[in-house]
Amino acid sequence: QSVLTQPPSVSGAPGQRVTISCTGSSSNIGAGYNVHWYQQLPGTAPKLVIYGNDNRPSGVPDRFSGSKSGTSASLAITGLQAEDEAVYYCQSYDRRLSVFGGGTKLTVL
Amino acid sequence: EVQLVQSGPEVKKPGESLKISCRGSGYNFDTYWIDWVRQTPGKGLEWMGSIFPGDSDSKYSPSFQGQVTFSADESISTAYLQWSSLRASDTAIYFCTRTSTRGYDRWGQGTLVTVSS
Repeated sequence: QSVLTQPPSVSGAPGQRVTISCTGSSSNIGAGYNVHWYQQLPGTAPKLVIYGNDNRPSGVPDRFSGSKSGTSASLAITGLQAEDEAVYYCQSYDRRLSVFGGGTKLTVL
Repeated sequence: EVQLVQSGPEVKKPGESLKISCRGSGYNFDTYWIDWVRQTPGKGLEWMGSIFPGDSDSKYSPSFQGQVTFSADESISTAYLQWSSLRASDTAIYFCTRTSTRGYDRWGQGTLVTVSS
């Protein structure tokens, strides 16, 4: 069981908006640690899509956004495209040790 | 271009030893932590620990402490992950990552380790 909790799956039609939640506790997200998000396409290494809660690396479309509040964080993807179908992971720190969420499979219908 | 390139897939028997590598290029290798992440078949990501190549300071996840060893050779910009005695449960894909204040901003391509008798 992961320290950070994510829904196992979400889905949406092309063009729609989806959000993926990442729920932690007072020892990780609630302690002020940043949350980062990664996208893993099938058969590839994860790729950073949001860093520092709400920042996009260069090259990541502005359809991707992140937020954090209290002991939770969220990743939002607007204008869904087929290429967004992947597994998404949140990552933060818990008492200075890195922790990942269990991952959320995004299906584009 | 910043890159992390890992060594190729390995097939080993239980009880054998193994050392896999992660070579960095395009940046000052000894000034960023390298983290190791395990992904078991069909499962999620698990943080194993990290090493700072500049002085080989290492941190281990409690789940992996005593099970693996990290090392680095800054002269060839390479970090290593090694096992002294593999088990079938070590079968997984292992990723190295570059750690920055912006998270894991670069990942190696992954090394598949298969342990089977």
